[in-house]
Amino acid sequence: GAVVSQHPSWVICKSGTSVKIECRSLDFQATTMFWYRQFPKQSLMLMATSNEGSKATYEQGVEKDKFLINHASLTLSTLTVTSAHPEDSSFYICSAKGTASQPQHFGDGTRLSIL
Amino acid sequence: GDSVTQMEGPVTLSEEAFLTINCTYTATGYPSLFWYVQYPGEGLQLLLKATKADDKGSNKGFEATYRKETTSFHLEKGSVQVSDSAVYFCALSTGNFNKFYFGSGTKLNVKP
Repeated sequence: GAVVSQHPSWVICKSGTSVKIECRSLDFQATTMFWYRQFPKQSLMLMATSNEGSKATYEQGVEKDKFLINHASLTLSTLTVTSAHPEDSSFYICSAKGTASQPQHFGDGTRLSIL
Repeated sequence: GDSVTQMEGPVTLSEEAFLTINCTYTATGYPSLFWYVQYPGEGLQLLLKATKADDKGSNKGFEATYRKETTSFHLEKGSVQVSDSAVYFCALSTGNFNKFYFGSGTKLNVKP
């Protein structure tokens, strides 16, 4: 079946650094990708929706300059957490879908820990 | 706005017990409804879905029926196994890009 790969699966870095997370669709062309954030023991909160070749649409309350999203190709979207701080520590999950009738497929998530 | 409410956990059951996890939703229009399962340290896996009223989704012994009159999509399984221990998320999807809204998740612990 369709597979979405996220990399890295776990990253630990110092406060103030920027971290890039990749989301790839391995066997289909993802016209739309989604980025979610999950706090411990809580649900997934949609951060932004990105369509290939256009700017991402951010949900209310999500800082565009903090969470940079690029969807430059039909198989790759990246989320960059800029100048990360401990409060940005979370589990980030991406999902991807092809055509409108196709379901979303979720990646395995990236655990980000900022020291 | 669109939202999903599901029962709080954790739910602790003995093996072979009957499982029900309640889920209700609020949505404008006609959403599709989903149940996802998340095992520790992993992403989400689609468990089952229903795209219109009265549809029943089923997979691996789990099932849920899309009830428009009660705006519900309760998850059931007749006999749970230890391997079913995980967090279960109810979700709805709406709009052209299928934006998802998730419930808060219900942790299920099944004891042998």
